[in-house]
Amino acid sequence: GENVEQHPSTLSVQEGDSAVIKCTYSDSASNYFPWYKQELGKRPQLIIDIRSNVGEKKDQRIAVTLNKTAKHFSLHITETQPEDSAVYFCAASLNTGNQFYFGTGTSLTVIP
Amino acid sequence: EAEVAQSPRYKITEKSQAVAFWCDPISGHATLYWYRQILGQGPELLVQFQDESVVDDSQLPKDRFSAERLKGVDSTLKIQPAELGDSAMYLCASSLARGGSYEQYFGPGTRLTVT
Repeated sequence: GENVEQHPSTLSVQEGDSAVIKCTYSDSASNYFPWYKQELGKRPQLIIDIRSNVGEKKDQRIAVTLNKTAKHFSLHITETQPEDSAVYFCAASLNTGNQFYFGTGTSLTVIP
Repeated sequence: EAEVAQSPRYKITEKSQAVAFWCDPISGHATLYWYRQILGQGPELLVQFQDESVVDDSQLPKDRFSAERLKGVDSTLKIQPAELGDSAMYLCASSLARGGSYEQYFGPGTRLTVT
């Protein structure tokens, strides 16, 4: 099955700086890559996603890049704010409706 | 905005007891997932339903876990008997899973503690 690795496991940045979280996947057939944000005690919420036919997607301060050849994708958060502090999970999926294989999460702390 | 509902939010039980969790997906979502999330890790799939049918339960410990979605709407996940290692967050998610819609929407989860 698919194996998703995520780095780093913890990340601290100063407010206003950028944060980058990286994930690699093993199955070249994976074609959908969502990123979820999970605040303490709350449900995971989708923040951005990308499909394999696209190399980059941006939504305001958040962007995701995908390198299919290298089988890795990254989350970029610019101009970080304290409310960005949370655990971020990447995931990979083979097809529509199939299960998501999640990374182990990155705990991001934005220091005011 | 419609959300996935789960109950109870918290459950404490003694080992060897039976527990059950309930999930009500977003209306119209044909696909329903049960994930288990151990503290400090990402969610891992236990079982996936398409309408009332099980699509994938390869990672469900079937000797003690069971899941059903009888009418293809809400779902119940049961553990009997519970073991100490079952302590985790149990997340339900649903997805439209058609028309190019991939997103899975998660419920608030049930935090299970087995003592």
